[in-house]
Amino acid sequence: SAVISQKPSRDICQRGTSLTIQCQVDSQVTMMFWYRQQPGQSLTLIATANQGSEATYESGFVIDKFPISRPNLTFSTLTVSNMSPEDSSIYLCSVRRTSGKSYEQYFGPGTRLTVT
Amino acid sequence: DQQVKQNSPSLSVQEGRISILNCDYTNSMFDYFLWYKKYPAEGPTFLISISSIKDKNEDGRFTVFLNKSAKHLSLHIVPSQPGDSAVYFCAASALIQGAQKLVFGQGTRLTINP
Repeated sequence: SAVISQKPSRDICQRGTSLTIQCQVDSQVTMMFWYRQQPGQSLTLIATANQGSEATYESGFVIDKFPISRPNLTFSTLTVSNMSPEDSSIYLCSVRRTSGKSYEQYFGPGTRLTVT
Repeated sequence: DQQVKQNSPSLSVQEGRISILNCDYTNSMFDYFLWYKKYPAEGPTFLISISSIKDKNEDGRFTVFLNKSAKHLSLHIVPSQPGDSAVYFCAASALIQGAQKLVFGQGTRLTINP
């Protein structure tokens, strides 16, 4: 398994401001991801955080709005920029482990963001 | 286009009985399927996965069955316990636009009644 921590666990922010969420993993991982879960919805992939290069964003998500850093194999940050109430969601860091026989992907505890 | 569907938004089961959570998918290129449990205010907890080349995988009280011809999988929990009350997400992995990605269903809220 993987132990993933996120900071902060929750925050209430004013519109127009930015928040940076940190994700720390207890061991080195190649694949690290950021997801969003809007109220009452399923999980949506925002981007793949690539170590040493720019993140790969999914359709509908852009770097200017969600800049991501991945300085090493155990740490990543996601910034939610110029926030609006529509950005109120749970933001989740995730890591993947694969072997020849199994595929496992683990999630952090999430950061609950409320934008007023 | 919802590639992974959980058609039952909720399910209620008596403690001690079997809980069966269902999931349908449309993309025949999915190569792994995963189940997660999620409590409020927590991140999803990985439960069990199955490769597309298998039809069953078991881990303790949890068993996942895969029917590729029907593009259907199910999670069986037996016996069901009160602590199993949570939202369960089905997810499927495929190579999408050059990268391996997980696609999630909408979730099923399971309630175990004493």
